[in-house]
Amino acid sequence: GAGVSQSPSNKVTEKGKDVELRCDPISGHTALYWYRQSLGQGLEFLIYFQGNSAPDKSGLPSDRFSAERTGGSVSTLTIQRTQQEDSAVYLCASSLAPGTTYNEQFFGPGTRLTVL
Amino acid sequence: GQNIDQPTEMTATEGAIVQINCTYQTSGFNGLFWYQQHAGEAPTFLSYNVLDGLEEKGRFSSFLSRSKGYSYLLLKELQMKDSASYLCAVRSGGYQKVTFGTGTKLQVIP
Repeated sequence: GAGVSQSPSNKVTEKGKDVELRCDPISGHTALYWYRQSLGQGLEFLIYFQGNSAPDKSGLPSDRFSAERTGGSVSTLTIQRTQQEDSAVYLCASSLAPGTTYNEQFFGPGTRLTVL
Repeated sequence: GQNIDQPTEMTATEGAIVQINCTYQTSGFNGLFWYQQHAGEAPTFLSYNVLDGLEEKGRFSSFLSRSKGYSYLLLKELQMKDSASYLCAVRSGGYQKVTFGTGTKLQVIP
């Protein structure tokens, strides 16, 4: 079946512009996560959705970052007034509902964001 | 908050065994995952532990001690394709938040 998809795969933007990143989770997965990974670094947690609500937004680096999820499916991560330090690969992952045995996360291919 | 520690890099020989350690401090522990990430690719799931003990899965095994906040991933019969980063991740809290360590980059040499 289809895995997690993300678009665009690559995005180059100018400093100060807004960008919108999209994630399509696996059908039936109620949990959705956004992470950021800078070159050679680990995964930095950004935000977690359970259904359409985001019980944990603690990882969002600043108020320039926001995310939403509609219909318990697609999620968008928006970065306003981008800065060069926002350059990274943004990874989305989805998993089954809490209480499922493994609940492992399935990752999308990521969006590579470059801010010039 | 959470704190997850792993060695940054390791090198091992093809055909050998390597153990990658992970220590963590968290409240509301609810499971530990290991993921493999090849350069330029997304992480893929390897193993999951929620109870103490060893979970074996082919050449890969993972161990957990909840009282010690400690886990390890054991890779046997190393192959060149095992060269990758190995990420330890902890799930905690009622909201199922999953936090990743910075990863251990493993290089397998002939």
